Amino acid sequence: AQSVTQLGSHVSVSEGALVLLRCNYSSSVPPYLFWYVQYPNQGLQLLLKYTSAATLVKGINGFEAEFKKSETSFHLTKPSAHMSDAAEYFCAVRASTSGTYKYIFGTGTRLKVLA
Amino acid sequence: KAGVTQTPRYLIKTRGQQVTLSCSPISGHRSVSWYQQTPGQGLQFLFEYFSETQRNKGNFPGRFSGRQFSNSRSEMNVSTLELGDSALYLCASSQIGGSTDTQYFGPGTRLTVL
Repeated sequence: AQSVTQLGSHVSVSEGALVLLRCNYSSSVPPYLFWYVQYPNQGLQLLLKYTSAATLVKGINGFEAEFKKSETSFHLTKPSAHMSDAAEYFCAVRASTSGTYKYIFGTGTRLKVLA
Repeated sequence: KAGVTQTPRYLIKTRGQQVTLSCSPISGHRSVSWYQQTPGQGLQFLFEYFSETQRNKGNFPGRFSGRQFSNSRSEMNVSTLELGDSALYLCASSQIGGSTDTQYFGPGTRLTVL
């Protein structure tokens, strides 16, 4: 069965500091992995996705993630945090079920950016 | 291109009532999925519809049901509401729900059950 685990339900960084949000996956087949961001009272917005092309994936708002098969990880990073990055971030894997697909989400990491 | 829209955005109901939520996918998208988001359980998959047929289902009781219309718009119904049904219900659409698809989410409907 495919799954994702997000380490750290809350992460705090100072404005201008590196953002690192961790996601580990479990999959018996090459996974399709996603990062979504959710701002208060809003739906989920796609940040970036990995679909077995380049292992370093660049997304919107300066975020990127690197797929590391040996570590079964897909951590999200941003070199310099901005106050507007404060939100909840979800890692997700697309799981195959009898030829159809559904998304399995991690429990989320709430990012707080300190001035 | 307009994004995924959900109506209503907020809803307050009492226990025992039923509720219907609506989702209009991105134009050209034929797959619609529904999720329940709560602080305790996170994002949980409810079901997926494609071409007016339920193609995938999560582990929710039969009180939760849905349907999809020929224009790909989808509705979700919850009958005999319980306090625990209070949640943000998210709808997501994709082109065909296939292996290369990406899901795009609507803003959600916040349901409060009193």
